[in-house]
Amino acid sequence: AQTVTQSQPEMSVQEAETVTLSCTYDTSESDYYLFWYKQPPSRQMILVIRQEAYKQQNATENRFSVNFQKAAKSFSLKISDSQLGDAAMYFCAYRSGYGGSQGNLIFGKGTKLSVKP
Amino acid sequence: NAGVTQTPKFQVLKTGQSMTLQCAQDMNHEYMSWYRQDPGMGLRLIHYSVGAGITDQGEVPNGYNVSRSTTEDFPLRLLSAAPSQTSVYFCASSLAGPRETQYFGPGTRLLVL
Repeated sequence: AQTVTQSQPEMSVQEAETVTLSCTYDTSESDYYLFWYKQPPSRQMILVIRQEAYKQQNATENRFSVNFQKAAKSFSLKISDSQLGDAAMYFCAYRSGYGGSQGNLIFGKGTKLSVKP
Repeated sequence: NAGVTQTPKFQVLKTGQSMTLQCAQDMNHEYMSWYRQDPGMGLRLIHYSVGAGITDQGEVPNGYNVSRSTTEDFPLRLLSAAPSQTSVYFCASSLAGPRETQYFGPGTRLLVL
């Protein structure tokens, strides 16, 4: 079974600085997708960024980028120029590319990010 | 589009009571799912559906029932509520395919006394 591990329960960053959130996963599959979701205090789950396992190029979305190390099964999220609105819980998630359950997301336990003004 | 809607937003139940959490989407998504979120646990899959008339169990299905009679609706039924079911429940939907974005509803906070 696949697992997702986020080893940092809490992180803190100064406004305008850069922070990296860690995520590792375990799988024997070769076709899969990785996601970072943001959950602000409103509880709404918001997709931040997506990475296809077959792509070597790291995904980027504005100030958000990932460092995808397939061999190491590592998928970290870098937030540049941190803003107060980035304060939230961040969840790393895995999605298999196989079978009827391929829609299911497997989540890590989350990292709570605080942004200091 | 309203996206994914959930009702109610908050509910208090007594142990042993039953209730249905409603979920609807207006994006014609084939895939729908229910997750629960507990402190320090992330989100865990309860049940999911890949289309009308097709449902299957996720990681934590005990104590919950689902059915999918239409593409739009995917209700979650608690048969006999227990304090262990106190949680925040999220419904999500997406088009078929693992690359597709899952859209989440705003969540239902359930307290079982």
